[in-house]
Amino acid sequence: GAGVSQSPSNKVTEKGKDVELRCDPISGHTALYWYRQRLGQGLEFLIYFQGNSAPDKSGLPSDRFSAERTGESVSTLTIQRTQQEDSAVYLCASSFLFGRTNEKLFFGSGTQLSVL
Amino acid sequence: AQTVTQSQPEMSVQEAETVTLSCTYDTSESDYYLFWYKQPPSRQMILVIRQEAYKQQNATENRFSVNFQKAAKSFSLKISDSQLGDAAMYFCAYSPNYGGSQGNLIFGKGTKLSVKP
Repeated sequence: GAGVSQSPSNKVTEKGKDVELRCDPISGHTALYWYRQRLGQGLEFLIYFQGNSAPDKSGLPSDRFSAERTGESVSTLTIQRTQQEDSAVYLCASSFLFGRTNEKLFFGSGTQLSVL
Repeated sequence: AQTVTQSQPEMSVQEAETVTLSCTYDTSESDYYLFWYKQPPSRQMILVIRQEAYKQQNATENRFSVNFQKAAKSFSLKISDSQLGDAAMYFCAYSPNYGGSQGNLIFGKGTKLSVKP
């Protein structure tokens, strides 16, 4: 596609339920990132995938959070046993890394998650 | 720990005027990148401008320019000839330069910019 696509755009769930958020990066982009944005806050780094390397999971807030990516394609972020504090916008971004060049990140429009 | 601070939660500017958004950061690294991102109501973050720390020259992109003061760890964004479409949240961000990995972008809390017609 032309840009980073995220689905669903909005998700309302009940406390304790599991949710899956999807990110479709720009074709050919080797790097993919997940960020969380709480209301009125900046973005918090969650996880980073680069090619076939082991992902950088250092930003995941708890073991209820996990993410997968198959090759250089779609990624899913899963939140198990959701809590009210998980309510936030979850943003995905992708980029093409070439050597040491810090390439531009392209962001999706995010998934607004509301946990009731 | 690396941190990014934006001390202005909200700013307002008259259309066609100039406004400066402030950002300071803290790091012990010498090689890093700094960014300004714009987030309109659509939620999609858009890169406005990027600065490489080893470059002394301030980056410019059309009406957008930065004042990068490495010693002071300051990175302000100047928007000239402000337009109604510039109204958005603006985030300052920092990224260490570790062998091509820019995964851990660190963001400030943002400044909400309003543009008055």
